[in-house]
Amino acid sequence: AQRVTQPEKLLSVFKGAPVELKCNYSYSGSPELFWYVQYSRQRLQLLLRHISRESIKGFTADLNKGETSFHLKKPFAQEEDSAMYYCALKGTSGSRLTFGEGTQLTVNP
Amino acid sequence: DTAVSQTPKYLVTQMGNDKSIKCEQNLGHDTMYWYKQDSKKFLKIMFSYNNKELIINETVPNRFSPKSPDKAHLNLHINSLELGDSAVYFCASSSTGLYSPLHFGNGTRLTVT
Repeated sequence: AQRVTQPEKLLSVFKGAPVELKCNYSYSGSPELFWYVQYSRQRLQLLLRHISRESIKGFTADLNKGETSFHLKKPFAQEEDSAMYYCALKGTSGSRLTFGEGTQLTVNP
Repeated sequence: DTAVSQTPKYLVTQMGNDKSIKCEQNLGHDTMYWYKQDSKKFLKIMFSYNNKELIINETVPNRFSPKSPDKAHLNLHINSLELGDSAVYFCASSSTGLYSPLHFGNGTRLTVT
């Protein structure tokens, strides 16, 4: 079974502060991991994925297989980063994307 | 030039009614999904179709019936609507493969009164 855990439902930081959104997963094989973002009342959008090793909007995420984590980080949060962030896992069968419960990030001025 | 479009955007209806939500994608993807986002913003997969065939069918009441006339369309029909069905329903599509992300529609906010 595949499972994604985001331990923080709510996270609040001040503008300019570093931010880390935690994600832990449970999967017996080698999963592909994603971060999706949902701005207020909008559709979910892909933010970044593990395989691309990219930085999008200043966010990065590193897969730590030892800790089974894929935390999302940004060194300097901006107000426009306020949104719901979902960590998601896709197993080797390729057909099911399992989401964590989401973390609502609020960046205060 | 919307990639994944769903209609309607809002749906308000009474308990007991039957309603449908339509979804279309123009990305050439062969897999489509329905997700339910509840009031706590928890996202849960309901169904997945690959090339018009049902491949994921989660524990969803059988009042919910997906229909895929072709691989570009996946509609969701709901019979005998209940208050607990109120949620935002997201359609998504992807190509087959481990590294293929999902592309989501804008969601349909269903309110059952």
